[in-house]
Amino acid sequence: DAGITQSPRHKVTETGTPVTLRCHQTENHRYMYWYRQDPGHGLRLIHYSYGVKDTDKGEVSDGYSVSRSKTEDFLLTLESATSSQTSVYFCAISDSNTEAFFGQGTRLTVV
Amino acid sequence: DQQVKQNSPSLSVQEGRISILNCDYTNSMFDYFLWYKKYPAEGPTFLISISSIKDKNEDGRFTVFLNKSAKHLSLHIVPSQPGDSAVYFCAASDTGTASKLTFGTGTRLQVTL
Repeated sequence: DAGITQSPRHKVTETGTPVTLRCHQTENHRYMYWYRQDPGHGLRLIHYSYGVKDTDKGEVSDGYSVSRSKTEDFLLTLESATSSQTSVYFCAISDSNTEAFFGQGTRLTVV
Repeated sequence: DQQVKQNSPSLSVQEGRISILNCDYTNSMFDYFLWYKKYPAEGPTFLISISSIKDKNEDGRFTVFLNKSAKHLSLHIVPSQPGDSAVYFCAASDTGTASKLTFGTGTRLQVTL
């Protein structure tokens, strides 16, 4: 299995609070991604990174920000969580000649 | 606007028979396609991929077929095994690689004894 660790694995938070999810990789892959999975939508890309400090928006980026200060870490922040951000969040990594490998997911519930 | 569509939410197949999962796409810029398998409470696991310059790719029991003119791809699993029971996602990219994937909504495959 690719070395991807997501933390926390589960989190319950209140509406309006900030939340940060962490993705850590040990594969030294260039690209890192955050997806969310919701019923009826499959997985949708939130943000991605193509290198340290290089990030860009995905399909559903509103309400989310990301940071990548080191190759191995990609953080996803919900500045002010809303109930519509209740979801399962997956981090993924890839390189130019590899497939995308996914972490185990973080289940976030916003109450 | 769903650019990758999996129109069958579920599929049930007997053990030993062939499973055929289908996927349609609308974006003609997609040039790389992948299938992922997902068990509950786990992340998606890569199964097989195909570039748009090919029409078939085979890996053991798994074969992916690509019909570019119809914007259609399918995953064949032969023979199906109970351990294949999972949700299967079709994904596509317009970068020629596995970056920035657009996923379908998934098909739940159940392989019965």
